[in-house]
Amino acid sequence: NAGVTQTPKFRILKIGQSMTLQCTQDMNHNYMYWYRQDPGMGLKLIYYSVGAGITDKGEVPNGYNVSRSTTEDFPLRLELAAPSQTSVYFCASSSGTGVGYTFGSGTRLTVV
Amino acid sequence: GQQLNQSPQSMFIQEGEDVSMNCTSSSIFNTWLWYKQDPGEGPVLLIALYKAGELTSNGRLTAQFGITRKDSFLNISASIPSDVGIYFCAGPLYGGATNKLIFGTGTLLAVQP
Repeated sequence: NAGVTQTPKFRILKIGQSMTLQCTQDMNHNYMYWYRQDPGMGLKLIYYSVGAGITDKGEVPNGYNVSRSTTEDFPLRLELAAPSQTSVYFCASSSGTGVGYTFGSGTRLTVV
Repeated sequence: GQQLNQSPQSMFIQEGEDVSMNCTSSSIFNTWLWYKQDPGEGPVLLIALYKAGELTSNGRLTAQFGITRKDSFLNISASIPSDVGIYFCAGPLYGGATNKLIFGTGTLLAVQP
């Protein structure tokens, strides 16, 4: 009964470093999403996927990349970390249109 | 672009009080969703609304889909300490085919025991 699992929960990066935020879901959902949440702000969509092999940009994609090789996994890649990418990152999935998401518990990233 | 404005930004109330918050959009939505985020966790879906004028309850929570389709309201009756958290409204971004959601800025609720 795992739902959406994100790893790691916390990470500190130095400017210019790269990392991959992992996200996996066990509900066989086709739709998956990455959001970032800045302090005092709502969630902004970074990238999304409507199925394996299909990804597209959201509202704030600059500085990030994604891939979707399987239905279960949707990793988010930061290539050259910048302080502006300090945020809490949430992965989510849904079974179709017009339905709500199931969110992971988030990854808190600090870039120094 | 589409925007969702939530009010109030924060509320500090006594246990047992009723709470009202709302969400307004710059464009028409055909779905309204309300989420709650507990500290350190991801948002959890509370209520989904699919029809203008619809009123839906989930325990002490009641949400309404505004008849103009540009707003939605969430009420919490007889608040308890575990109601503490951030409440977000959400709706489909640029149409619903990809199920992308836009989220409001949230209402922070604090409940004093």
